Amino acid sequence: DAGVIQSPRHEVTEMGQEVTLRCKPISGHNSLFWYRQTMMRGLELLIYFNNNVPIDDSGMPEDRFSAKMPNASFSTLKIQPSEPRDSAVYFCASSLWAGTNTGELFFGEGSRLTVL
Amino acid sequence: QQQVKQSPQSLIVQKGGISIINCAYENTAFDYFPWYQQFPGKGPALLIAIRPDVSEKKEGRFTISFNKSAKQFSLHIMDSQPGDSATYFCAASNRKGFQKLVFGTGTRLLVSP
Repeated sequence: DAGVIQSPRHEVTEMGQEVTLRCKPISGHNSLFWYRQTMMRGLELLIYFNNNVPIDDSGMPEDRFSAKMPNASFSTLKIQPSEPRDSAVYFCASSLWAGTNTGELFFGEGSRLTVL
Repeated sequence: QQQVKQSPQSLIVQKGGISIINCAYENTAFDYFPWYQQFPGKGPALLIAIRPDVSEKKEGRFTISFNKSAKQFSLHIMDSQPGDSATYFCAASNRKGFQKLVFGTGTRLLVSP
């Protein structure tokens, strides 16, 4: 299996621009998570989906952030408009949830976002 | 109550030494405690995990010790090697709910040759 695939790996943009990060989860996984990692705040859960349905988006920082999962093999995280404080590494992770969970998330390699 | 507190923030250990990272939690509903390892430029990956019905779990050079009454758990890396240099995250979740893992803030481990 190719693992969780994220794109782009690196994105540099100017403040005010729209940013779209993409994720392809592992085939067969039914849960998908978006995390943000910064030195100051560590790993923060932004939103997670189960069977393509958003379950908890309480971690989304503000209305500038939105996430979608139109099908089981694709998700996007969009920031519009972007701000310098959004600079971070954004990780997508997937897992198989079957009533109870084991806590094993499979992470992609991340998308490093720099907003100038 | 959802926090997992991790210490130390960084750690330097000589090759062959023992690395110890500690975590503490408040939420008694947590019943699954994984550790993740992250190398630079990569995403975190599951290293080892424990459930509260046991006090210790060992996989090779990696051991988790769990103290339910103190609500603490720790990772011990025996015979630490330079290849173990990475950032380690403890985490906690409740198996009955959706997989909402709460991560600690991470420990950057450097094993000197």
